[in-house]
Amino acid sequence: QQPVQSPQAVILREGEDAVINCSSSKALYSVHWYRQKHGEAPVFLMILLKGGEQKGHEKISASFNEKKQQSSLYLTASQLSYSGTYFCGTPGGISYGKLTFGQGTILTVHP
Amino acid sequence: DTAVSQTPKYLVTQMGNDKSIKCEQNLGHDTMYWYKQDSKKFLKIMFSYNNKELIINETVPNRFSPKSPDKAHLNLHINSLELGDSAVYFCASRQMTGRTGTGELFFGEGSRLTVL
Repeated sequence: QQPVQSPQAVILREGEDAVINCSSSKALYSVHWYRQKHGEAPVFLMILLKGGEQKGHEKISASFNEKKQQSSLYLTASQLSYSGTYFCGTPGGISYGKLTFGQGTILTVHP
Repeated sequence: DTAVSQTPKYLVTQMGNDKSIKCEQNLGHDTMYWYKQDSKKFLKIMFSYNNKELIINETVPNRFSPKSPDKAHLNLHINSLELGDSAVYFCASRQMTGRTGTGELFFGEGSRLTVL
């Protein structure tokens, strides 16, 4: 089942903060976050694992609430380069290796 | 040195034709995927191969047939193309880390298919 993201779109000015949420109707043991810029491929941002471990490459933080089956991505002091569509991905249940993405959140950062 | 490469990047074709998209990864990963991204940007998983074995086969018309000759290559052949097949098709790969599959996905640049 597809995770649900909110909000669908966010418009910010440089330096402002944003939070993107991802909810699942089933138990999660990991959540992936990706960013896709216009006309480009999605790029990995971060993986959050059950137990609190995080693996990421950029100065973006996230949280993972296993009980609530939710994850949130925190973008602080946003830069123009943060603009794009953010996707959360959750592993599938039966299908080994399946990663199902949410519908995406469009983030636009203005000068 | 491109990690995941797809060809062609653009395809424009008529309804009813057959087309193929090829994907290659040089990351040494054991699992490859095809995702379809429609005009609303929704990324839908289609197929996945792990070490040449088909492990994910979503509800996709049987006009779509994947093939993985080895773990570094994954191709997608589409027969009798329809207007609704117009989309961007992304190939991706990752190294599976146990059953939970926590390895990150590396995407190719995408192949934009337009069916007229």
